[in-house]
Amino acid sequence: GDSVTQMEGPVTLSEEACLTINCTYTATGYPSLFWYVQYPGEGLQLLLKATKADDKGSNKGFEATYRKETTSFHLEKGSVQVSDSAVYFCALSPTGANSKLTFGKGITLSVRP
Amino acid sequence: ETGVTQSPTHLIKTRGQQVTLRCSSQSGHNTVSWYQQALGQGPQFIFQYYREEENGRGNFPPRFSGLQFPNYSSELNVNALELDDSALYLCASSFGQDLYEQYFGPGTRLTVT
Repeated sequence: GDSVTQMEGPVTLSEEACLTINCTYTATGYPSLFWYVQYPGEGLQLLLKATKADDKGSNKGFEATYRKETTSFHLEKGSVQVSDSAVYFCALSPTGANSKLTFGKGITLSVRP
Repeated sequence: ETGVTQSPTHLIKTRGQQVTLRCSSQSGHNTVSWYQQALGQGPQFIFQYYREEENGRGNFPPRFSGLQFPNYSSELNVNALELDDSALYLCASSFGQDLYEQYFGPGTRLTVT
């Protein structure tokens, strides 16, 4: 079945540091890929998405590129802020009409001033 | 425009009891999905309802059941509660069956003792 693997956490960075959170997936066909973010005390929010190979999703300074050859969708940001502290989830949905999301375990990011 | 709301926020039940969780979808959305998020894990898909019909189910036993009403709000029912059912239950609404964005509610924290 479909699965998503995220790097182990937590991750602690200083403000303005570079961020990379690794995500790889296993799926049949051509899934859509997503990054969701969960800020403290809030619900899950879609951060960015990519629906086909080589697409780059971007939002709020975050980027991720759909790499079919390496089955990866790594999340990157050039300069993190304290306000980026949250839990980040990589997810996929299969092709077709069923919009079930399969999530990774999530990784907690803490950014120090 | 109101977002996705869930009730109650928290509840505590005893093993063997039954529970009903409620979700009001975002205005204009006709699809509701339910997820279970155990502590420290990513959300797991329980099932989805589209126009009042179940439209996909994850790997959960039949004691997890649901309903969607004509106004597209939804209920998740869990019978014969087990300790492992303790989790955050998330509801997400979207428009249509193909996923491009699901909007998540804040969740209901269920504790089974």
